[in-house]
Amino acid sequence: AQRVTQPEKLLSVFKGAPVELKCNYSYSGSPELFWYVQYSRQRLQLLLRHISRESIKGFTADLNKGETSFHLKKPFAQEEDSAMYYCALRGVNTGFQKLVFGTGTRLLVSP
Amino acid sequence: NAGVTQTPKFQVLKTGQSMTLQCAQDMNHNSMYWYRQDPGMGLRLIYYSASEGTTDKGEVPNGYNVSRLNKREFSLRLESAAPSQTSVYFCASGGARAVSYEQYFGPGTRLTVT
Repeated sequence: AQRVTQPEKLLSVFKGAPVELKCNYSYSGSPELFWYVQYSRQRLQLLLRHISRESIKGFTADLNKGETSFHLKKPFAQEEDSAMYYCALRGVNTGFQKLVFGTGTRLLVSP
Repeated sequence: NAGVTQTPKFQVLKTGQSMTLQCAQDMNHNSMYWYRQDPGMGLRLIYYSASEGTTDKGEVPNGYNVSRLNKREFSLRLESAAPSQTSVYFCASGGARAVSYEQYFGPGTRLTVT
């Protein structure tokens, strides 16, 4: 079964502090992992995906297959990073782009 | 391009009433999805449609029906609303497998069942 776990419901940091949003997954095959973000009063949107190995808005995430994790990191948080973040998984073997989402972590960056 | 649009934005129903949530996309995507978002539960897939003419159940399909009217439109129907269906509903669409697995979301419909 596919499962995504985000252990923190809320992460509160000060501006300029490092941020790490945790994501662990359970999947027996090769997963494809994503981070989606929902800013206040905006729709959910893709932030980054592991296969792209990209940095978006200063955020990075590395897939660690040994620890089955895909944590989202940013060295210096900004107030505009405050949002709801969802980790999502697509099982490559499913042959279809059905995503399983975690329960989400709300990031609050205070000045 | 409007992307993914949903109507209505808000709705209040009484228990037992029925309604249809509408979703349309103008990105020529094959796949479309309906999710519900509840506090502490994240997004859960209700139904999806891999292509025009096909629909399949997701994680929480009970109490819902869907129709893939054409490639653009995917509607979600509540035949007899229950308070447990109070939620925010999101429609999404996705690109072809060879191109991208990104899903594009609509703005959501906030439904309250009293």
